[in-house]
Amino acid sequence: GAGVSQSPSNKVTEKGKDVELRCDPISGHTALYWYRQRLGQGLEFLIYFQGNSAPDKSGLPSDRFSAERTGESVSTLTIQRTQQEDSAVYLCASSSPRGFREKLFFGSGTQLSVL
Amino acid sequence: AQKITQTQPGMFVQEKEAVTLDCTYDTSDQSYGLFWYKQPSSGEMIFLIYQGSYDEQNATEGRYSLNFQKARKSANLVISASQLGDSAMYFCAMREGSNSGYALNFGKGTSLLVTP
Repeated sequence: GAGVSQSPSNKVTEKGKDVELRCDPISGHTALYWYRQRLGQGLEFLIYFQGNSAPDKSGLPSDRFSAERTGESVSTLTIQRTQQEDSAVYLCASSSPRGFREKLFFGSGTQLSVL
Repeated sequence: AQKITQTQPGMFVQEKEAVTLDCTYDTSDQSYGLFWYKQPSSGEMIFLIYQGSYDEQNATEGRYSLNFQKARKSANLVISASQLGDSAMYFCAMREGSNSGYALNFGKGTSLLVTP
Protein backbone atom coordinates (compact mmCIF):
# COMPACT_ATOMS: atom_id res chain seq x y z
CA GLY A 1 0.00 0.00 0.00
CA ALA A 2 0.89 3.63 -0.27
CA GLY A 3 1.00 4.32 3.43
CA VAL A 4 1.21 2.68 6.84
CA SER A 5 -1.94 0.71 7.47
CA GLN A 6 -3.27 -0.09 10.94
CA SER A 7 -6.16 -2.26 11.96
CA PRO A 8 -8.58 -2.15 13.54
CA SER A 9 -9.13 1.60 13.57
CA ASN A 10 -11.20 1.26 16.73
CA LYS A 11 -11.28 -1.46 19.35
CA VAL A 12 -13.51 -1.64 22.39
CA THR A 13 -12.74 -4.37 24.87
CA GLU A 14 -13.53 -5.40 28.40
CA LYS A 15 -11.01 -5.17 31.17
CA GLY A 16 -9.01 -8.37 31.42
CA LYS A 17 -9.33 -9.36 27.77
CA ASP A 18 -6.41 -9.66 25.36
CA VAL A 19 -6.18 -7.51 22.23
CA GLU A 20 -4.07 -7.61 19.08
CA LEU A 21 -3.29 -4.55 17.02
CA ARG A 22 -1.90 -4.84 13.54
CA CYS A 23 0.45 -2.64 11.55
CA ASP A 24 1.34 -3.01 7.88
CA PRO A 25 4.32 -0.74 7.09
CA ILE A 26 5.22 0.92 3.83
CA SER A 27 6.79 -1.59 1.49
CA GLY A 28 10.56 -1.52 1.73
CA HIS A 29 10.68 0.20 5.10
CA THR A 30 12.90 -1.82 7.38
CA ALA A 31 12.25 0.17 10.53
CA LEU A 32 8.95 -0.06 12.39
CA TYR A 33 7.89 1.71 15.57
CA TRP A 34 4.98 1.52 17.98
CA TYR A 35 3.91 4.52 20.03
CA ARG A 36 1.09 5.08 22.51
CA GLN A 37 -0.75 8.37 22.76
CA ARG A 38 -3.07 8.94 25.68
CA LEU A 39 -5.77 11.55 25.32
CA GLY A 40 -4.26 15.02 25.06
CA GLN A 41 -0.74 13.72 25.59
CA GLY A 42 2.40 13.32 23.54
CA LEU A 43 3.66 10.14 21.93
CA GLU A 44 5.14 7.52 24.23
CA PHE A 45 7.64 5.17 22.60
CA LEU A 46 6.86 1.49 23.04
CA ILE A 47 9.03 -0.65 20.77
CA TYR A 48 11.25 -0.44 17.68
CA PHE A 49 12.11 -3.04 15.05
CA GLN A 50 14.99 -2.64 12.61
CA GLY A 51 15.35 -5.33 9.99
CA ASN A 52 16.46 -8.62 11.50
CA SER A 53 18.06 -7.02 14.55
CA ALA A 54 16.75 -7.68 18.03
CA PRO A 55 13.92 -5.25 18.74
CA ASP A 56 14.32 -2.42 21.22
CA LYS A 57 11.63 -3.14 23.79
CA SER A 58 12.75 -0.52 26.29
CA GLY A 59 9.50 1.44 26.08
CA LEU A 60 7.08 -1.39 26.80
CA PRO A 61 5.31 -0.38 30.04
CA SER A 62 4.78 -3.87 31.44
CA ASP A 63 5.09 -7.55 30.60
CA ARG A 64 1.46 -7.48 29.47
CA PHE A 65 2.69 -5.75 26.32
CA SER A 66 4.50 -7.61 23.56
CA ALA A 67 5.08 -7.16 19.86
CA GLU A 68 6.22 -9.26 16.99
CA ARG A 69 7.36 -8.60 13.48
CA THR A 70 8.12 -11.14 10.82
CA GLY A 71 10.99 -9.95 8.68
CA GLU A 72 10.25 -6.54 7.25
CA SER A 73 6.52 -6.97 7.07
CA VAL A 74 3.52 -6.85 9.32
CA SER A 75 3.83 -6.23 13.04
CA THR A 76 1.39 -7.17 15.79
CA LEU A 77 1.19 -5.46 19.16
CA THR A 78 -0.47 -7.62 21.79
CA ILE A 79 -1.81 -6.38 25.10
CA GLN A 80 -2.77 -9.10 27.55
CA ARG A 81 -5.24 -8.71 30.41
CA THR A 82 -6.09 -5.18 29.37
CA GLN A 83 -6.54 -2.50 32.00
CA GLN A 84 -8.43 0.77 31.78
CA GLU A 85 -5.15 2.70 31.75
CA ASP A 86 -4.32 0.97 28.46
CA SER A 87 -6.99 3.07 26.76
CA ALA A 88 -5.18 5.19 24.21
CA VAL A 89 -4.42 5.57 20.53
CA TYR A 90 -1.71 3.17 19.42
CA LEU A 91 0.29 4.58 16.53
CA CYS A 92 2.55 2.62 14.25
CA ALA A 93 5.22 4.24 12.10
CA SER A 94 7.74 2.98 9.59
CA SER A 95 10.82 4.45 7.97
CA SER A 96 13.56 3.69 5.52
CA PRO A 97 16.90 3.64 7.32
CA ARG A 98 18.76 6.10 5.15
CA GLY A 99 20.36 7.72 8.16
CA PHE A 100 19.82 10.36 10.72
CA ARG A 101 17.35 12.39 8.75
CA GLU A 102 14.94 9.54 8.23
CA LYS A 103 11.47 10.71 9.03
CA LEU A 104 8.77 8.48 10.32
CA PHE A 105 5.61 7.81 8.34
CA PHE A 106 2.69 7.20 10.65
CA GLY A 107 -0.46 5.17 10.34
CA SER A 108 -3.84 6.51 11.40
CA GLY A 109 -3.70 4.64 14.66
CA THR A 110 -5.90 2.23 16.58
CA GLN A 111 -8.15 3.80 19.20
CA LEU A 112 -8.31 1.30 22.06
CA SER A 113 -11.00 1.68 24.70
CA VAL A 114 -10.96 -0.62 27.71
CA LEU A 115 -14.23 -0.66 29.61
CA ALA B 1 14.38 13.02 32.50
CA GLN B 2 12.33 14.73 29.86
CA LYS B 3 14.31 14.91 26.64
CA ILE B 4 11.98 17.29 24.82
CA THR B 5 10.16 20.14 26.55
CA GLN B 6 7.34 22.10 25.01
CA THR B 7 6.28 24.69 27.56
CA GLN B 8 3.22 26.04 25.77
CA PRO B 9 0.22 23.74 26.20
CA GLY B 10 -1.92 26.02 24.04
CA MET B 11 -1.39 28.96 21.73
CA PHE B 12 -3.69 31.32 19.85
CA VAL B 13 -2.79 33.26 16.74
CA GLN B 14 -4.79 35.35 14.38
CA GLU B 15 -4.99 34.33 10.75
CA LYS B 16 -2.13 35.72 8.61
CA GLU B 17 0.03 36.40 11.65
CA ALA B 18 3.25 34.54 12.46
CA VAL B 19 3.55 32.30 15.51
CA THR B 20 6.47 30.66 17.29
CA LEU B 21 6.12 27.32 19.05
CA ASP B 22 8.82 26.64 21.61
CA CYS B 23 10.88 23.50 21.96
CA THR B 24 13.90 22.86 24.13
CA TYR B 25 15.80 19.59 24.25
CA ASP B 26 18.27 17.79 26.42
CA THR B 27 21.10 15.71 25.04
CA SER B 28 24.79 15.19 25.63
CA ASP B 29 25.30 13.89 22.09
CA GLN B 30 27.01 16.00 19.45
CA SER B 31 25.01 14.40 16.66
CA TYR B 32 21.27 14.60 16.81
CA GLY B 33 18.27 15.49 14.71
CA LEU B 34 15.22 17.54 15.54
CA PHE B 35 11.82 17.10 13.95
CA TRP B 36 8.47 18.84 14.05
CA TYR B 37 5.22 17.03 13.37
CA LYS B 38 1.69 18.35 13.05
CA GLN B 39 -1.33 16.38 14.27
CA PRO B 40 -4.71 17.74 13.14
CA SER B 41 -7.91 16.65 14.83
CA SER B 42 -8.07 13.75 12.37
CA GLY B 43 -5.17 12.21 14.30
CA GLU B 44 -2.70 11.72 11.46
CA MET B 45 0.92 12.69 12.10
CA ILE B 46 2.32 14.97 9.42
CA PHE B 47 6.06 15.63 9.13
CA LEU B 48 6.84 19.34 8.82
CA ILE B 49 10.53 20.05 9.10
CA TYR B 50 13.91 18.63 10.12
CA GLN B 51 17.06 20.20 11.57
CA GLY B 52 20.34 18.35 12.00
CA SER B 53 22.71 19.34 14.77
CA TYR B 54 25.48 20.02 12.26
CA ASP B 55 23.33 21.92 9.80
CA GLU B 56 24.70 25.43 9.53
CA GLN B 57 21.54 26.96 8.16
CA ASN B 58 18.19 27.03 9.90
CA ALA B 59 15.78 24.69 8.15
CA THR B 60 12.92 26.10 6.13
CA GLU B 61 10.01 24.39 4.39
CA GLY B 62 7.52 26.76 2.84
CA ARG B 63 5.79 28.68 5.64
CA TYR B 64 7.64 26.66 8.28
CA SER B 65 11.06 27.57 9.58
CA LEU B 66 13.07 26.35 12.49
CA ASN B 67 14.82 28.80 14.79
CA PHE B 68 17.71 26.58 15.86
CA GLN B 69 19.83 27.89 18.73
CA LYS B 70 22.29 25.14 19.50
CA ALA B 71 23.92 26.72 22.53
CA ARG B 72 20.52 27.20 24.14
CA LYS B 73 19.35 23.77 22.99
CA SER B 74 16.24 25.19 21.48
CA ALA B 75 14.52 24.43 18.19
CA ASN B 76 11.50 26.65 17.92
CA LEU B 77 9.07 26.26 15.04
CA VAL B 78 7.99 29.45 13.30
CA ILE B 79 4.85 29.40 11.19
CA SER B 80 4.47 32.45 9.02
CA ALA B 81 1.20 33.74 7.62
CA SER B 82 -0.96 31.41 9.71
CA GLN B 83 -3.95 29.78 8.09
CA LEU B 84 -7.07 28.32 9.66
CA GLY B 85 -5.88 24.89 8.56
CA ASP B 86 -2.82 25.27 10.78
CA SER B 87 -4.99 24.66 13.84
CA ALA B 88 -3.63 21.42 15.25
CA MET B 89 -1.31 19.86 17.81
CA TYR B 90 2.36 20.37 17.11
CA PHE B 91 5.02 18.00 18.40
CA CYS B 92 8.75 18.51 18.62
CA ALA B 93 10.87 15.34 18.52
CA MET B 94 14.54 14.38 18.71
CA ARG B 95 16.72 11.51 17.58
CA GLU B 96 20.09 11.28 19.34
CA GLY B 97 23.37 10.23 17.79
CA SER B 98 24.00 7.47 20.27
CA ASN B 99 20.76 5.90 19.11
CA SER B 100 21.06 6.28 15.37
CA GLY B 101 18.09 4.63 13.79
CA TYR B 102 16.34 4.69 17.13
CA ALA B 103 12.90 6.03 17.79
CA LEU B 104 12.11 9.69 18.01
CA ASN B 105 11.48 11.07 21.49
CA PHE B 106 8.46 13.37 21.41
CA GLY B 107 7.47 16.31 23.53
CA LYS B 108 3.99 16.67 25.01
CA GLY B 109 2.91 19.00 22.24
CA THR B 110 1.44 22.46 21.78
CA SER B 111 -2.13 22.99 20.71
CA LEU B 112 -2.38 25.83 18.19
CA LEU B 113 -5.64 27.56 17.39
CA VAL B 114 -5.75 29.95 14.47
CA THR B 115 -8.61 32.43 14.70
CA PRO B 116 -10.17 34.43 11.83
